[in-house]
Amino acid sequence: DQQVKQNSPSLSVQEGRISILNCDYTNSMFDYFLWYKKYPAEGPTFLISISSIKDKNEDGRFTVFLNKSAKHLSLHIVPSQPGDSAVYFCAASALDSSYKLIFGSGTRLLVRP
Amino acid sequence: KAGVTQTPRYLIKTRGQQVTLSCSPISGHRSVSWYQQTPGQGLQFLFEYFSETQRNKGNFPGRFSGRQFSNSRSEMNVSTLELGDSALYLCASSLGGQGGEQYFGPGTRLTVT
Repeated sequence: DQQVKQNSPSLSVQEGRISILNCDYTNSMFDYFLWYKKYPAEGPTFLISISSIKDKNEDGRFTVFLNKSAKHLSLHIVPSQPGDSAVYFCAASALDSSYKLIFGSGTRLLVRP
Repeated sequence: KAGVTQTPRYLIKTRGQQVTLSCSPISGHRSVSWYQQTPGQGLQFLFEYFSETQRNKGNFPGRFSGRQFSNSRSEMNVSTLELGDSALYLCASSLGGQGGEQYFGPGTRLTVT
């Protein structure tokens, strides 16, 4: 039972354009969402997070949008850079077990120069 | 501030043996979580420790165990290794409160032959 789904295994974007990575969840108890970036042979690197009381959070080139009614979140990267090429994971946690992250399967982003 | 460190980085073991992996969290972080990453199952939560107590456990057999020391360092142990235990084992640390980001180490790549 996949509670967090990333339905696009890969995404290719031209440098300078916007990258949009999507994530859907099924558990209505999730109240905190995070995005991580992962390079091969390294651990995931925290990018940005959002609480369920918000619908948007920005940090530099990264913006996360949360649509609670649709149980959907997205990560926007503007402008995309070749160094952004990596696997992106979304993760979620519930209030009663906030230290237990449930991860999606990841989306591999390729930013073409 | 130093990041999360994990030792060893690579390990090769034989079926039936046991293994112990070590994790040192970021200074000041009291929570340590362990995750298993495999190509087929993605990133899956193993367990989390806070102040030497296990707060939550994922859906893994009893062969997987862990502990945390008073200095917040943590170890996980896998007994009677199986081929399917080959994976990247990731440790993450956080302050341990509700919500909040987890910061990952580089992982230990375990290969069981």
